[in-house]
Amino acid sequence: AQKVTQAQTEISVVEKEDVTLDCVYETRDTTYYLFWYKQPPSGELVFLIRRNSFDEQNEISGRYSWNFQKSTSSFNFTITASQVVDSAVYFCALMEYSSASKIIFGSGTRLSIRP
Amino acid sequence: EPEVTQTPSHQVTQMGQEVILRCVPISNHLYFYWYRQILGQKVEFLVSFYNNEISEKSEIFDDQFSVERPDGSNFTLKIRSTKLEDSAMYFCASSLETASEAFFGQGTRLTVV
Repeated sequence: AQKVTQAQTEISVVEKEDVTLDCVYETRDTTYYLFWYKQPPSGELVFLIRRNSFDEQNEISGRYSWNFQKSTSSFNFTITASQVVDSAVYFCALMEYSSASKIIFGSGTRLSIRP
Repeated sequence: EPEVTQTPSHQVTQMGQEVILRCVPISNHLYFYWYRQILGQKVEFLVSFYNNEISEKSEIFDDQFSVERPDGSNFTLKIRSTKLEDSAMYFCASSLETASEAFFGQGTRLTVV
């Protein structure tokens, strides 16, 4: 069964600190896709990144970076030099190739950046 | 930048009434979805739609729910007889291909009283 676990319910850091959001997934498919979405206080869901299971290269986009480790079934997200505007709920999500029309979301991590 | 648009942004309805939530997906996208998020909880898959038919649906998507693409641009979710527990934020999404990233609308907050 597919499952996404975000064990950190809430994180609060001071601005400019680095912060890592953890994501652990479960799937029996050998082909699957992982996502991160951001939900700011305004409520919309903003796509951040998609990785497929064959691509374990880490990705960096500005202050954001993602660490995909198949060996530990993890897809962690790090924000470097956090800013107040990063405050949001962040969702990790999984799509299995065998069910490639359904994204399963984790329960989300609420990130608060204090000035 | 193309985006998914949803109307209305907020709808209040009485229990037992029918509601229709509307969405305009990104124009060249082929796959359409509805998700819901009960306040403070995770985002849950409801249904996916491709080539004018349902591809997959969750156990939440029972006979009270239906989806339709009435014309070339709109994608609707109908709840026939709303219950209090249907109160949630409903998100429409679309994607270009299967297994590609889905882009979400800003959501419709449905409140059933």
